[in-house]
Amino acid sequence: DSGVTQTPKHLITATGQRVTLRCSPRSGDLSVYWYQQSLDQGLQFLIQYYNGEERAKGNILERFSAQQFPDLHSELNLSSLELGDSALYFCASSPRTSVNTGELFFGEGSRLTVL
Amino acid sequence: GQQLNQSPQSMFIQEGEDVSMNCTSSSIFNTWLWYKQDPGEGPVLLIALYKAGELTSNGRLTAQFGITRKDSFLNISASIPSDVGIYFCAGQNYGGSQGNLIFGKGTKLSVKP
Repeated sequence: DSGVTQTPKHLITATGQRVTLRCSPRSGDLSVYWYQQSLDQGLQFLIQYYNGEERAKGNILERFSAQQFPDLHSELNLSSLELGDSALYFCASSPRTSVNTGELFFGEGSRLTVL
Repeated sequence: GQQLNQSPQSMFIQEGEDVSMNCTSSSIFNTWLWYKQDPGEGPVLLIALYKAGELTSNGRLTAQFGITRKDSFLNISASIPSDVGIYFCAGQNYGGSQGNLIFGKGTKLSVKP
């Protein structure tokens, strides 16, 4: 158990819909990261937040947005869903002491299926 | 953008055999990391390498940071069934946030008892 909690574990929805994925980082971790894992693309970095502020942005579509709240939990919002958005979405967190070490603690992921 | 080429894509080996996988990049990294993803779980850090030429072990796992800073390899000795999973290499540069970890596409390891 990494200490990172993601909900829901599984989600099935239709094209055009909007979903929200939730992540609670490990206790004390200020940074939260979102990754998308699809079969052919591996782990793709989407976005990072640090203590409520956006820190880095990766290959995140304009249809996707995220935020980190004062209690440090984070939400990833996916809208106007397309079939190609079906993937595993991982949240990860890292402690302040591991800045630049590359050590991330991943949750178990939220599997999104768009039909 | 930076990309990592990880090989092989998959391996199917007999229990007890040694395993070797590697990762190459067209650009340099200051940090190389190896993560493992068990079925139904998120990736877990196995080994982190911070210096060119560094050779680091973690139990039956050994990883090296290539001298050119453009490659890394991971060896697993005497494989056991619980080694099954997907192994990812990842590279990172100084000054970037950890969100700038670039992951390879993974090596899927299957172990036959």
